[in-house]
Amino acid sequence: SQQGEEDPQALSIQEGENATMNCSYKTSINNLQWYRQNSGRGLVHLILIRSNEREKHSGRLRVTLDTSKKSSSLLITASRAADTASYFCATVLNTGGFKTIFGAGTRLFVKA
Amino acid sequence: KAGVTQTPRYLIKTRGQQVTLSCSPISGHRSVSWYQQTPGQGLQFLFEYFSETQRNKGNFPGRFSGRQFSNSRSEMNVSTLELGDSALYLCASSKELYQETQYFGPGTRLLVL
Repeated sequence: SQQGEEDPQALSIQEGENATMNCSYKTSINNLQWYRQNSGRGLVHLILIRSNEREKHSGRLRVTLDTSKKSSSLLITASRAADTASYFCATVLNTGGFKTIFGAGTRLFVKA
Repeated sequence: KAGVTQTPRYLIKTRGQQVTLSCSPISGHRSVSWYQQTPGQGLQFLFEYFSETQRNKGNFPGRFSGRQFSNSRSEMNVSTLELGDSALYLCASSKELYQETQYFGPGTRLLVL
């Protein structure tokens, strides 16, 4: 099973609404990252939150981290059609070497 | 600065063949990681190279291999291709090993027939 699992799997909203995506993970982490992927392309790093942080902002993005629940959420405010993409959370596992483990992703569709 | 580039962008091969994919990291980045993305398995870590040495490896069979050159460019090779190897192969670079932020290339889409 994957280290990070996002929910919902898919989300469809109207432009201007807020979109919230959640990520759960299994082991302790040093940090958690969120990435965006436009259809079939490479990933773009959005934001990184460290284990000693509870909330972080970047433009219209707000990320929260609850290490007691092993979960994180990504909030996109005032969504735009251009936000249509898949969003992935990622954590780094140290299993005799560091590996970045991605969740299954949330597909966000913003209708104009 | 130019971003991460991957070549070729698209590739069609038949079962049993082998394939080599190339990745040029951002200038000054010394670490290159490779990922396989499929609809069924999602994004899976293949391996990471730093200073021409493989530093980390995911759970893939030995048919998947890679290397890194002195200029940090990396190649990955898949031998004896199987239908299940059809995927988007993504390369990511970072300045140093175990860097938290990775910069991804556009990917190479491989179709195995």
